Amino acid sequence: AQTVTQSQPEMSVQEAETVTLSCTYDTSESDYYLFWYKQPPSRQMILVIRQEAYKQQNATENRFSVNFQKAAKSFSLKISDSQLGDAAMYFCAYGSGGGADGLTFGKGTHLIIQP
Amino acid sequence: EPEVTQTPSHQVTQMGQEVILRCVPISNHLYFYWYRQILGQKVEFLVSFYNNEISEKSEIFDDQFSVERPDGSNFTLKIRSTKLEDSAMYFCASSTARVGLQETQYFGPGTRLLVL
Repeated sequence: AQTVTQSQPEMSVQEAETVTLSCTYDTSESDYYLFWYKQPPSRQMILVIRQEAYKQQNATENRFSVNFQKAAKSFSLKISDSQLGDAAMYFCAYGSGGGADGLTFGKGTHLIIQP
Repeated sequence: EPEVTQTPSHQVTQMGQEVILRCVPISNHLYFYWYRQILGQKVEFLVSFYNNEISEKSEIFDDQFSVERPDGSNFTLKIRSTKLEDSAMYFCASSTARVGLQETQYFGPGTRLLVL
């Protein structure tokens, strides 16, 4: 079974600074997908970014980018120019390429933005 | 932009009562999912649904739970006889295809269920 580990329960960053959230995973599959979801206080789960394991290039979405290290099974999220609206829980999730339908989530990192 | 919607946003029920949580997936999506998140814990997969039948279910999804697509738009999760430990946030999600076919699951805002 796959596991996803987020070792940082909480992170704090000054507004306009850069922060990196860590995620590691364990799998024996070669085909899979990785996601970062954001959950603001409203509790809505919002997709931030996704990465296909077969792609070597790291995914980017505006101020959000990932550092995908397949051999190390690491998938960190970098948020540049942090904004107050980035304050939320961030969940790393794993999706199987050919097996299970359901996503496997980490426990989440609570990101605090200091004004 | 199309969204997954869920009703109600909050539900309080007595232990042993039946509850039905409702979801309206994004209209052109074909795969539907339920997840739950017990307070302070990780989001857990419950069940996936495709072509009017369960595609996959987790160990959590026991005989107390059932899912249904009663019409062309709604997707429901029924808990027959609620227990205290069913108190959680329940998320519905949908996708055009399975993750393995390069599709992303989009989540609704959740229903917070409290069992007393």
